[in-house]
Amino acid sequence: QSALTQPASVSGSPGQSIAISCTGTSSDVGGYNFVSWYQHYPGKAPKVIIYDVSKRPSGVSDRFSGSKSGNTASLTISGLRAEDEADYYCCSYAGHSFYVFGFGTRVTVL
Amino acid sequence: EEQVVESGGDWVQAGGSLRLSCAASGFDFKTTWMSWVRQAPGKGLEWVADIKYVGREEFYVDSVKGRFTISRDNAKNSLYLQMNSLRAEDTATYYCVRDKGYGNFDPWGQGTLVIVSS
Repeated sequence: QSALTQPASVSGSPGQSIAISCTGTSSDVGGYNFVSWYQHYPGKAPKVIIYDVSKRPSGVSDRFSGSKSGNTASLTISGLRAEDEADYYCCSYAGHSFYVFGFGTRVTVL
Repeated sequence: EEQVVESGGDWVQAGGSLRLSCAASGFDFKTTWMSWVRQAPGKGLEWVADIKYVGREEFYVDSVKGRFTISRDNAKNSLYLQMNSLRAEDTATYYCVRDKGYGNFDPWGQGTLVIVSS
């Protein structure tokens, strides 16, 4: 039950695209197509922005997209905006009703 | 509107106990898995435990196994977390979340803060 590996921080200028990686193992990310991503503004409730690797909940901007290759999942934010500045966490199903989150990535809009 | 509201967080001495509660509304509580997720100060999110919609299927992260017990009352649309033998490392904001399926956690509440003093 080790946490998934994410970069501590990613930055970009408004309008740019950035990608956040989430690396696990064949027992979690690589073993299931059940990776979700959460946007978290400090002091607020986290919000799901991607589930099942690449599905977007209703109301979530299509600037957010998810993908997976092997043991690594990725979240891409296109057309970066100031309001995207937040913490982002990946989460993977790890079998037998267990879940594991990533360490989190702070996104900074320059 | 789908909503969860956590309560019960407090300051407690190491070795003590605390019971967290979560009131759910706006969705069919009795047909959905529920989880607790926590965030220690300055740290990332950590899944703690989950419970099936009916029956006694419960699962826990290793660090709380044997000390925490997740339970639910479907008649009251409520989720609970009984925390015993608390440790300083249990200090965190605890979130109650609905699992819509394999980690699609939604909605989240504002969380309830537990501080364990050593």
